[in-house]
Amino acid sequence: GAVVSQHPSWVICKSGTSVKIECRSLDFQATTMFWYRQFPKQSLMLMATSNEGSKATYEQGVEKDKFLINHASLTLSTLTVTSAHPEDSSFYICSARDHQGLYGYTFGSGTRLTVV
Amino acid sequence: AQSVTQLGSHVSVSEGALVLLRCNYSSSVPPYLFWYVQYPNQGLQLLLKYTSAATLVKGINGFEAEFKKSETSFHLTKPSAHMSDAAEYFCAVSDLPRANSKLTFGKGITLSVRP
Repeated sequence: GAVVSQHPSWVICKSGTSVKIECRSLDFQATTMFWYRQFPKQSLMLMATSNEGSKATYEQGVEKDKFLINHASLTLSTLTVTSAHPEDSSFYICSARDHQGLYGYTFGSGTRLTVV
Repeated sequence: AQSVTQLGSHVSVSEGALVLLRCNYSSSVPPYLFWYVQYPNQGLQLLLKYTSAATLVKGINGFEAEFKKSETSFHLTKPSAHMSDAAEYFCAVSDLPRANSKLTFGKGITLSVRP
């Protein structure tokens, strides 16, 4: 079945530094990538949607200059949290979808970001 | 706009008992409905999905759900709970099978299974 590999699984960084999270589709072409944020004991909050080769579309209230999304190829999308602060600590999950939706929404395993 | 309502935040059942997790949706177009399970610090795993075919959908791990348009519901059931079913469960809806159609999630329900 379709697999999305997300790395790293967890990361601790110092306040003010940037962190990059990668999601790779291993056996299908991820035409669209969705990036979510999840707070403890809460649901997933969609941050942005990106289509390969295009700029990401951010949800209302999400700072596009803080959460940089790149989707330059059909198998790789990255989320960079710039100038991270403790309030950015969260669980980040990606979800990929192919052009025809044959594989549905395939989720990565998530990244636990802790900013100290 | 689409939305999903999952009433209650926590369901506790005994091992071997029936599991029933409720989900109601709101959609202005025929919905595509999903149930996902999430274990701690992991991503989401698809349990089953409804995409306008059979209204009774069977999924993995013995779960099934029935789409009831008249009740705008898509409740998840499992006849006999297992300890390994303890997890967070999310119901979600999308509108069309386009590649960039968004998933809208419910707030989730924590399932606990008592020995």
